[in-house]
Amino acid sequence: SQQGEEDPQALSIQEGENATMNCSYKTSINNLQWYRQNSGRGLVHLILIRSNEREKHSGRLRVTLDTSKKSSSLLITASRAADTASYFCAPLPASGGSYIPTFGRGTSLIVHP
Amino acid sequence: DAGVTQSPTHLIKTRGQHVTLRCSPISGHKSVSWYQQVLGQGPQFIFQYYEKEERGRGNFPDRFSARQFPNYSSELNVNALLLGDSALYLCASSWGNEQFFGPGTRLTVL
Repeated sequence: SQQGEEDPQALSIQEGENATMNCSYKTSINNLQWYRQNSGRGLVHLILIRSNEREKHSGRLRVTLDTSKKSSSLLITASRAADTASYFCAPLPASGGSYIPTFGRGTSLIVHP
Repeated sequence: DAGVTQSPTHLIKTRGQHVTLRCSPISGHKSVSWYQQVLGQGPQFIFQYYEKEERGRGNFPDRFSARQFPNYSSELNVNALLLGDSALYLCASSWGNEQFFGPGTRLTVL
């Protein structure tokens, strides 16, 4: 398994603004997933992007993947106070085996109303 | 449909004691994973079970053990609790490459 590293560590924005979070990883991947965690709660799966995809959308979420740079970004458009949470990326290595996502410290997003 | 459930929600123990945490996966899911999340950190992988067999183990001491039952529910056991074991313990069941997390058990060791 390999760990994704999220950047920035913390992000504070006003409601209505866009929020961009980045993820870097080290080895080849099969896919990469983004999760959200509200304070002290379980993680919620947001979106999965496969290694042969470059961009994926889900509602106000847009994820990009650049396998040459081993990086991904999560964009939340028109943010809302309810988007306040920690966001984690989880790369799945291309080497196969059991899927065991490993998480970095995440990006803590605060959206001010 | 019920999601992943965990019990108890909160737990307070004393150093040296033993604790058992429980997890019920989403119906039809045969894989269960356990994570430890210390405040300010991301979840750290502890164990993964599939069809009652251990499929993966993270870098945790032997004080941590787990098992999976025929109905795919799972228990995480921690012996000789240390103050540093205070954390949110998350269980996840998986379908394909997607994991579904429970709300977690908050363990406080005094």
